[in-house]
Amino acid sequence: SYVLSQPPSVSVAPGQTARIICGGNNIGSKSVHWYQQKSGQAPVLVVYDDTDRPSGIPERFSGSNSGNTATLTISRVDAGDEADYYCQVWDRSSDHVVFGGGTKLTVL
Amino acid sequence: QVQLMQSGAEVKKPGASVKVSCEASGYAFTGYFMHWVRQAPGQGPEWMGRIDPNSGGTKYAQKFQGWVTMTRDTSISTAYMELRRLKSDDTAVYYCARGGYGNYFFGYWGQGTLVTVSS
Repeated sequence: SYVLSQPPSVSVAPGQTARIICGGNNIGSKSVHWYQQKSGQAPVLVVYDDTDRPSGIPERFSGSNSGNTATLTISRVDAGDEADYYCQVWDRSSDHVVFGGGTKLTVL
Repeated sequence: QVQLMQSGAEVKKPGASVKVSCEASGYAFTGYFMHWVRQAPGQGPEWMGRIDPNSGGTKYAQKFQGWVTMTRDTSISTAYMELRRLKSDDTAVYYCARGGYGNYFFGYWGQGTLVTVSS
């Protein structure tokens, strides 16, 4: 089955840029979606189809995807961005949805 | 606006079954797949499967084959997820999540239903 790998944690100072990576075999050939989850809440979609943002998501959130790595980039990080972030793909070969293990973003 | 309203928290004993409901509103229920995702305490989301509300067709994650059943009632725009033979490590928050049209990301989620399995 397809596996997505994420670093358990990323730390960044306020105002800086956070980059959260998601690794998978030839992930560049798939559409990657990203979710933000704050404690006790349901996940919120922040990027879909590698680079698109749902309405209401700030332009500070952006995504890229190539080769074996997809990246969620959060610019000008503030305390409100502190959350768990999960990548997700649909694996066509198995017709399964797959989530990464998640990355906890800490704002120092 | 799109809303997914789930049933309330459940406490079950090991070996029992649980059935969680998800009432959809604000869109054409039969037009979008409904997925079920669970999240154990301190863990990431885990996809359980999906149902096509139009046809009733289902696709279950391999792990849950033979163990989960997803159904729907189009007359009341409600999807259901039943999990049988519960074990303590099935303790989790269970979410319904609406897929997009022809795609597999989740822009809308229910509020979650906590299922606690304890003797």
